[in-house]
Amino acid sequence: GAGVSQSPRYKVAKRGQDVALRCDPISGHVSLFWYQQALGQGPEFLTYFQNEAQLDKSGLPSDRFFAERPEGSVSTLKIQRTQQEDSAVYLCASSRTYGFEEETQYFGPGTRLLVL
Amino acid sequence: SQQGEEDPQALSIQEGENATMNCSYKTSINNLQWYRQNSGRGLVHLILIRSNEREKHSGRLRVTLDTSKKSSSLLITASRAADTASYFCATDFVREYGNKLVFGAGTILRVKS
Repeated sequence: GAGVSQSPRYKVAKRGQDVALRCDPISGHVSLFWYQQALGQGPEFLTYFQNEAQLDKSGLPSDRFFAERPEGSVSTLKIQRTQQEDSAVYLCASSRTYGFEEETQYFGPGTRLLVL
Repeated sequence: SQQGEEDPQALSIQEGENATMNCSYKTSINNLQWYRQNSGRGLVHLILIRSNEREKHSGRLRVTLDTSKKSSSLLITASRAADTASYFCATDFVREYGNKLVFGAGTILRVKS
C-alpha cells in the first residue's frame, strides 16, 4: 500500500525566502510527526499532531517554523525567512493510533532543503 | 539535543561477518527502537524492545537492552552488501501527547562484497 509521501523531495531556497514542505501520511493514521535531520546526525523531533490538533511543538527551533494539519490528514511545514542553518532533511512520520501504546512510526523519504 | 550516542560512528566489514552496534541513552525509557536509513528508502523501522525485555530477535537481527547501564546493542549476523546503511537507535517516551522518538547520531555500516 501507499506509504508516507513528501514533496518536494529537494528544495533549494535563497536565504530569506519562505518555503512550504508537504507531508501526506498513510491514510487513516491519527498521529503525524515532523523531524529535522542535519547532515551526519540523527533526526530531531520538531512537532506532533493528533488529527488536526498540534499537541506538541516543543521542538520547533524558532518562530519562523510553523506547521499545520487543518483537516487531520495532509500536513505542511512552513519555514519563513529561511536561514542557512535551516538546511537539513525534513522527515515526516505517521502512526496509526494516538500514541498511548507502542506504535511504529512510518517515515517518508524526506525533503532535503538547502538554503544558499 | 540527541538522547544518546551510537558506537562506533562507522563500521566496515566483509560480507558474511557479523556487525555489532551499541547505543547509550540518558534517561528512563518505555522502549527502544532501531531504525535503518539509506538513500534509497529513507528511515525504516527494524525492531522494538520494551524496557522490561532484555533480548529480542528478528531474522538476522538481535537486540539486547540493559536498562541498568542505559545501553542497547544491535547485532546483524551474516551481513550482506544490502545491509549497508546508517543505523539509529531511538528511545520512546509514551506521554499524554503522543510518543516522541529521540534518536542517537547513528552508526554508518558498510558491508563490502
